[in-house]
Amino acid sequence: QQQVKQSPQSLIVQKGGISIINCAYENTAFDYFPWYQQFPGKGPALLIAIRPDVSEKKEGRFTISFNKSAKQFSLHIMDSQPGDSATYFCAAPLSYQLIWGAGTKLIIKP
Amino acid sequence: NAGVMQNPRHLVRRRGQEARLRCSPMKGHSHVYWYRQLPEEGLKFMVYLQKENIIDESGMPKERFSAEFPKEGPSILRIQQVVRGDSAAYFCASSLNRGPIGTDTQYFGPGTRLTVL
Repeated sequence: QQQVKQSPQSLIVQKGGISIINCAYENTAFDYFPWYQQFPGKGPALLIAIRPDVSEKKEGRFTISFNKSAKQFSLHIMDSQPGDSATYFCAAPLSYQLIWGAGTKLIIKP
Repeated sequence: NAGVMQNPRHLVRRRGQEARLRCSPMKGHSHVYWYRQLPEEGLKFMVYLQKENIIDESGMPKERFSAEFPKEGPSILRIQQVVRGDSAAYFCASSLNRGPIGTDTQYFGPGTRLTVL
């Protein structure tokens, strides 16, 4: 019940394409859903986050779509660029901690 | 404003030795979190501390691991008698407040990569 399941494990997208990463959760107590971006050798950095009272949030090329009834949320990266190549994690807070998905390694091919 | 700082960035220890990992939170932040990341996996929560207090250590192994955040100085994660299974990246995060669940962003440091030989 405390898990956040993320898919796919890895993703290759052509430059200019749309990258889509999905997460599913069980615990309905989760009320905040951040996405983190991590480059090799670096710590995770907050990319974008959403609360369940909205179905979509957009920041530049990054959009979170949230489906409360299905308990799923997804990250869409529009016009994907080589600089977007990184590992992406979804997460959800439970008490004082963040519960993390397993990560998606995204590669954008030029 | 400097971000979260961790040192050392890389640490090599032999089995049985002690590892000390340091974390200086962002300026003004008094909430510190430690996470462990194994290769190709997400982060796993270990411990949450405020100045001089351990608030939640539910993710920390009961033996050999300890953490502190003194009134002055950095937070320290200490691993005694390290074993090969302790090899991982250890990340520290800090936040300004601990308000309603999930609303306060955790900012992460660059991590310490521990290798146990």
